[in-house]
Amino acid sequence: NAGVTQTPKFQVLKTGQSMTLQCAQDMNHNSMYWYRQDPGMGLRLIYYSASEGTTDKGEVPNGYNVSRLNKREFSLRLESAAPSQTSVYFCASSEDRLNSPLHFGNGTRLTVT
Amino acid sequence: GENVEQHPSTLSVQEGDSAVIKCTYSDSASNYFPWYKQELGKRPQLIIDIRSNVGEKKDQRIAVTLNKTAKHFSLHITETQPEDSAVYFCAASGNNNAGNMLTFGGGTRLMVKP
Repeated sequence: NAGVTQTPKFQVLKTGQSMTLQCAQDMNHNSMYWYRQDPGMGLRLIYYSASEGTTDKGEVPNGYNVSRLNKREFSLRLESAAPSQTSVYFCASSEDRLNSPLHFGNGTRLTVT
Repeated sequence: GENVEQHPSTLSVQEGDSAVIKCTYSDSASNYFPWYKQELGKRPQLIIDIRSNVGEKKDQRIAVTLNKTAKHFSLHITETQPEDSAVYFCAASGNNNAGNMLTFGGGTRLMVKP
């Protein structure tokens, strides 16, 4: 039982390049999330998927897109990376019921130059 | 939407002392309040949570209190140890049909000096 697995762990992009962050969970959770973490700003929700087949914007969705590929996988795509997207990205999942604990992946450290 | 403020941003205590971190929230409909611990370079991990129908919850050296009237909740760590050194995040979640929509505080860096 690996929990939530994210790839890659580190990535350096040039401005304008694109990339996809991958996330998979093996806990049979219905809900999945993408957060970004910047110094002094806690964790901010980018996008979430309450259940397979649905996605919705969070607090800071601009510049990102997501795909809920199946129940296990939820990917985050940067179409044209900008320096402001330099951050640590965390994928998380939670059970079906409301207000259940989040289980986080190990994070992806992204630098955009 | 929900707004969560967390204080202090940094906290330094001597080993064995107690540490208290406080959070306030804005949405009176919020009813779930988890606390996460994040060690350097690691992922956030849940350490304790409380729901709005409970005023206090304890787990060994950790306790959380909730005052719904004042819209604030606090994390209490007693007999601190060096391994308690980490960043702690509070969060608040409203009851909505979209699932678990947590809003996080800005974090508190706790340093326990041996």
